[in-house]
Amino acid sequence: GAVVSQHPSRVICKSGTSVKIECRSLDFQATTMFWYRQFPKQSLMLMATSNEGSKATYEQGVEKDKFLINHASLTLSTLTVTSAHPEDSSFYICSAKTGRWATDTQYFGPGTRLTVL
Amino acid sequence: GENVEQHPSTLSVQEGDSAVIKCTYSDSASNYFPWYKQELGKRPQLIIDIRSNVGEKKDQRIAVTLNKTAKHFSLHITETQPEDSAVYFCAPHDPGGGYNKLIFGAGTRLAVHP
Repeated sequence: GAVVSQHPSRVICKSGTSVKIECRSLDFQATTMFWYRQFPKQSLMLMATSNEGSKATYEQGVEKDKFLINHASLTLSTLTVTSAHPEDSSFYICSAKTGRWATDTQYFGPGTRLTVL
Repeated sequence: GENVEQHPSTLSVQEGDSAVIKCTYSDSASNYFPWYKQELGKRPQLIIDIRSNVGEKKDQRIAVTLNKTAKHFSLHITETQPEDSAVYFCAPHDPGGGYNKLIFGAGTRLAVHP
């Protein structure tokens, strides 16, 4: 149980275009989902916390107008990278919690590798 | 917010040896301490976690110890095998902000040599 999927797994786009990444919890309802970015050989950096039915909470230094997050249902959150630039190229990973408590396990999606040309 | 330090950044051991990775955190209100394993190009996988009401937890070759007074917790892998080679991240819970988010350490690259 507790499976999280992401789509697409890889995407290549031209500079200036927008890209949407989907994160789904397949066998549980996730009130809270998280979006991370990971550069090569680096750690996971939390970008934002996505709560169903409310606005996302962004970490300091993350532009909310550039990284649009929508948590439309208890099983789906989307991240849209708007006006992508080469420096946005990275591995984007989502995760979902099985409950509201701090001690609830956080399960990760397989990630989406974004390359901006 | 939570400040996390993880040491060492790289660790090389011979197959069968033990490996220990330490994680230090700053927020004394933190109460959940997981360790994740990430293989190249793949998702992080939870390998063990501990809640603040216990000092040690073991699962076969893997154990985690917690020292709340000193604000650090450690991952112990015994009888290491080549398939243990990966990057390991500690990710203590950040109680600030109300969303129960995790803050990842910088990671430890473990190499187990046959």
